[in-house]
Amino acid sequence: KNQVEQSPQSLIILEGKNCTLQCNYTVSPFSNLRWYKQDTGRGPVSLTIMTFSENTKSNGRYTATLDADTKQSSLHITASQLSDSASYICVVSARASGTYKYIFGTGTRLKVLA
Amino acid sequence: EAQVTQNPRYLITVTGKKLTVTCSQNMNHEYMSWYRQDPGLGLRQIYYSMNVEVTDKGDVPEGYKVSRKEKRNFPLILESPSPNQTSLYFCASSLGVGAVSPLHFGNGTRLTVT
Repeated sequence: KNQVEQSPQSLIILEGKNCTLQCNYTVSPFSNLRWYKQDTGRGPVSLTIMTFSENTKSNGRYTATLDADTKQSSLHITASQLSDSASYICVVSARASGTYKYIFGTGTRLKVLA
Repeated sequence: EAQVTQNPRYLITVTGKKLTVTCSQNMNHEYMSWYRQDPGLGLRQIYYSMNVEVTDKGDVPEGYKVSRKEKRNFPLILESPSPNQTSLYFCASSLGVGAVSPLHFGNGTRLTVT
């Protein structure tokens, strides 16, 4: 069964600190992996998209890594800011029957404290 | 401004009263989809559309209908809403369901069915 699992479920850190969010997946056949940021009450916004051949991709203070062999991804946030408080969702795309399917993780809720 | 617009943002209705949630995108995207988001379950796909007049079921299509008569619009129809359809709904679009095409989400519609 295609699944995407994220950890931790929630995380509290102090402003200025770094943190790493994890995503493990069992999705086949794998097409790409995406990280989204969702502010409370808003729609998710794309941070990164990585294909099979990409190991690392950055977007400002956000750096995503992908290990396609172990089927793991991480999202590292550097020098956190209050505005980083949000849910972070890992999404894996699989190609099946001529179309693509998105499998969503349940997200990690990050709270950054001053 | 490129965006996905959903209306209404909030909707309270009673069981059995037909309703429509509209979704419109101004980016000429081919792919559009609807999701519901419930606590602890993450985003689950209801229906998607690869192009005009082409729609298909997602993971949780029961109790919902969609149509794609024009490229920019993808309304979600609840013919006879029930309390278990109380949820936060998101519409999303992308250029195509490909490797480097991010999903653009609307800001959501919070539906309460009493």
